[in-house]
Amino acid sequence: SQQGEEDPQALSIQEGENATMNCSYKTSINNLQWYRQNSGRGLVHLILIRSNEREKHSGRLRVTLDTSKKSSSLLITASRAADTASYFCATEPLWRAGGTSYGKLTFGQGTILTVHP
Amino acid sequence: EPEVTQTPSHQVTQMGQEVILRCVPISNHLYFYWYRQILGQKVEFLVSFYNNEISEKSEIFDDQFSVERPDGSNFTLKIRSTKLEDSAMYFCASRTGMRQPQHFGDGTRLSIL
Repeated sequence: SQQGEEDPQALSIQEGENATMNCSYKTSINNLQWYRQNSGRGLVHLILIRSNEREKHSGRLRVTLDTSKKSSSLLITASRAADTASYFCATEPLWRAGGTSYGKLTFGQGTILTVHP
Repeated sequence: EPEVTQTPSHQVTQMGQEVILRCVPISNHLYFYWYRQILGQKVEFLVSFYNNEISEKSEIFDDQFSVERPDGSNFTLKIRSTKLEDSAMYFCASRTGMRQPQHFGDGTRLSIL
């Protein structure tokens, strides 16, 4: 699979349910970020989790990172219709001493989340 | 909250023409990026810019592409001779430092006819 692959590709749930999206990647990373994109709009940053962190929370969002499995998950609890969007994980490569990694993000294909009222 | 702003929101250009996409990053940010997203595909990295020079570029970013930060606020992407396959949404992003998240603009939809 490619760097930063999400699954499922599409997720349809009812308001109030939890939504879990997964991301897998291949290379060593410095951090992993989750973004949301509403149709035709820009990318909104949700959470950044560093490679030495295992879990992070922000409001109704919970992100986990397992570097041994090269995977991350995004959990949205008590979902709302307004959460309907595409969700992307993006990995930032490990900084190399004397290297040229200045923050290039590699994005996955994304998960399309639909929350029905 | 400060935002990255991009203009225009939609640009329609004839194939072979030059196009300049404009971005105003967040004012205290030091690292600047361009990405693009072809319809239905992944967001792809084009180029990163720091300290008034390109720090990294992808294979997509060939001689037809250039970036400039002509003054203290604008960051531009120029495509010299556009091709049909350049049609995409182009996103500008910026961040304060290496350990910080990138903040994206709403994008410019570029349509090449």
